[in-house]
Amino acid sequence: GQSLEQPSEVTAVEGAIVQINCTYQTSGFYGLSWYQQHDGGAPTFLSYNALDGLEETGRFSSFLSRSDSYGYLLLQELQMKDSASYFCAAYNQGGKLIFGQGTELSVKP
Amino acid sequence: SQTIHQWPATLVQPVGSPLSLECTVEGTSNPNLYWYRQAAGRGLQLLFYSVGIGQISSEVPQNLSASRPQDRQFILSSKKLLLSDSGFYLCAWSKGYETQYFGPGTRLLVL
Repeated sequence: GQSLEQPSEVTAVEGAIVQINCTYQTSGFYGLSWYQQHDGGAPTFLSYNALDGLEETGRFSSFLSRSDSYGYLLLQELQMKDSASYFCAAYNQGGKLIFGQGTELSVKP
Repeated sequence: SQTIHQWPATLVQPVGSPLSLECTVEGTSNPNLYWYRQAAGRGLQLLFYSVGIGQISSEVPQNLSASRPQDRQFILSSKKLLLSDSGFYLCAWSKGYETQYFGPGTRLLVL
């Protein structure tokens, strides 16, 4: 089957660094995306990794290792507004996105 | 720039009633279109996707159906709603097979 595993919740303090891991099992893997979803809102796109390595966008970075079927989202200089759910999602053959169950990040003062 | 609209934003419907949710995309042509459902505290489940007018692929057998009558219009329907149809329905679009962009969603409560 096709599945993605990520921690259900993570807690960190303002200004800290947090890493959200994602392992995937999917046929015809193309790449890994990350989405942020605030309570009551729609998911918003954060990053996409098609190749191995690190992609940096401001305070957020995303990493992919195809050989390990593993990726992570790194959030630096955490702010209260970063409290949200974060989803990894794998693109597979046919252009379908398979979502993980999400990681709820709580940022404490 | 591209925008995606969904309506209604919230809907409360009795069991057994019909459903029609609409999604439209502006600022692009021939997008791939998707319908997802999200249960509370859960991930997104792909329901339908479309790569062109009249082309619909169903991912999960259920009492829902989808149609794409125009290039940038995607409709989710049901003839008779079930309690289990309650959830947050999200429409998304993409060009190619990379980034998907989501609409604001419709919260459906079936009573």
